[in-house]
Amino acid sequence: DAGVIQSPRHEVTEMGQEVTLRCKPISGHNSLFWYRQTMMRGLELLIYFNNNVPIDDSGMPEDRFSAKMPNASFSTLKIQPSEPRDSAVYFCASSLGRNTEAFFGQGTRLTVV
Amino acid sequence: QKEVEQNSGPLSVPEGAIASLNCTYSDRGSQSFFWYRQYSGKSPELIMFIYSNGDKEDGRFTAQLNKASQYVSLLIRDSQPSDSATYLCAAPRQNQGGKLIFGQGTELSVKP
Repeated sequence: DAGVIQSPRHEVTEMGQEVTLRCKPISGHNSLFWYRQTMMRGLELLIYFNNNVPIDDSGMPEDRFSAKMPNASFSTLKIQPSEPRDSAVYFCASSLGRNTEAFFGQGTRLTVV
Repeated sequence: QKEVEQNSGPLSVPEGAIASLNCTYSDRGSQSFFWYRQYSGKSPELIMFIYSNGDKEDGRFTAQLNKASQYVSLLIRDSQPSDSATYLCAAPRQNQGGKLIFGQGTELSVKP
């Protein structure tokens, strides 16, 4: 298996633009996590899906952020409109389920100018 | 209190020494604990997991869990410069569907 695949690896966009980050979890995994990492705040959980259903989105910072998981092999994280303070590395991770380890993708480095 | 808390460091040890990394957690229902290593500019990778009280050894790494004290640690014996990285502790929240929460990480520097 190729592991968790994220795209794009790098994204530079202007403030106000829409940004869509994509993730393909490991086949067979039924839990998917979106994290944001910054120097100041560390690794923050944004949203958690189980069997394609959002279980906890309490970490989503505001309504500008939305996430979907239309099927077991694909998820998106969208920011609209983007702001400079959204600049961070966004990681997607997947796991077999509760109490099992999560495997991370390579991350998307987002820069909003 | 943060859900998963670590000393941010940086922790500096000489090559060959034992590095000790500590983590406390708030959810008494947590049943499993994970240690990840993250090199600069890379994604976190799992190095150890532990479910039961006591010690678990894997090569130069030993994870220790004390559920009564809500404390988990990672010992790295014979530290090498290649161990220099940020180490992240993680635990799933049992009362929130198992969402995986990370500590802020401890930066370890092993000096040759």
